[in-house]
Amino acid sequence: EAEVAQSPRYKITEKSQAVAFWCDPISGHATLYWYRQILGQGPELLVQFQDESVVDDSQLPKDRFSAERLKGVDSTLKIQPAELGDSAMYLCASSLERATEAFFGQGTRLTVV
Amino acid sequence: AQSVTQLGSHVSVSEGALVLLRCNYSSSVPPYLFWYVQYPNQGLQLLLKYTTGATLVKGINGFEAEFKKSETSFHLTKPSAHMSDAAEYFCAVSDLGGNNRLAFGKGNQVVVIP
Repeated sequence: EAEVAQSPRYKITEKSQAVAFWCDPISGHATLYWYRQILGQGPELLVQFQDESVVDDSQLPKDRFSAERLKGVDSTLKIQPAELGDSAMYLCASSLERATEAFFGQGTRLTVV
Repeated sequence: AQSVTQLGSHVSVSEGALVLLRCNYSSSVPPYLFWYVQYPNQGLQLLLKYTTGATLVKGINGFEAEFKKSETSFHLTKPSAHMSDAAEYFCAVSDLGGNNRLAFGKGNQVVVIP
């Protein structure tokens, strides 16, 4: 069964350092999402891609976060510099078409110390 | 913009009893509605979804939900709780014809008491 792949699963970094997360969506899925989930809360959308184009990054803290999906397939989310408040689960998801169900990866648990 | 309200962050239910998780949504267009389940340190898994058609939808693991437009609700139920149902459950809404932003509620942590 096709899955959304994310790496790493866990990441510990010191504040002010740079950190990057990678996501490979299900083959053929044009829509890709990055969500941040703080412990005990629901996922919050950071950025949404349609193919290689950003369609929504209104909640992305652009002073420190960046995301790219250069060839419209896999994607990278970067934080530089990391802050203590960035500690959270970062979830990647993909969907075949707009307004259809999203399939989630296992997530990356980030701890900033 | 669409949004979801889930009340009661923690829900305790006895094994074998009814599970009821409430979800109310806000959307300016006909919504797509979803329930997801999340186990510790895992991603989200789709339980069930409503798009169009029959308002009572059945999902995996014996769960079902009913879309009630007049009440803007999409409550999740399971007749008999099992220990394996202990997890976090999220209701989500997507705007048909829009950007397909999937907006989540804050979730319900379900605890099953033996």
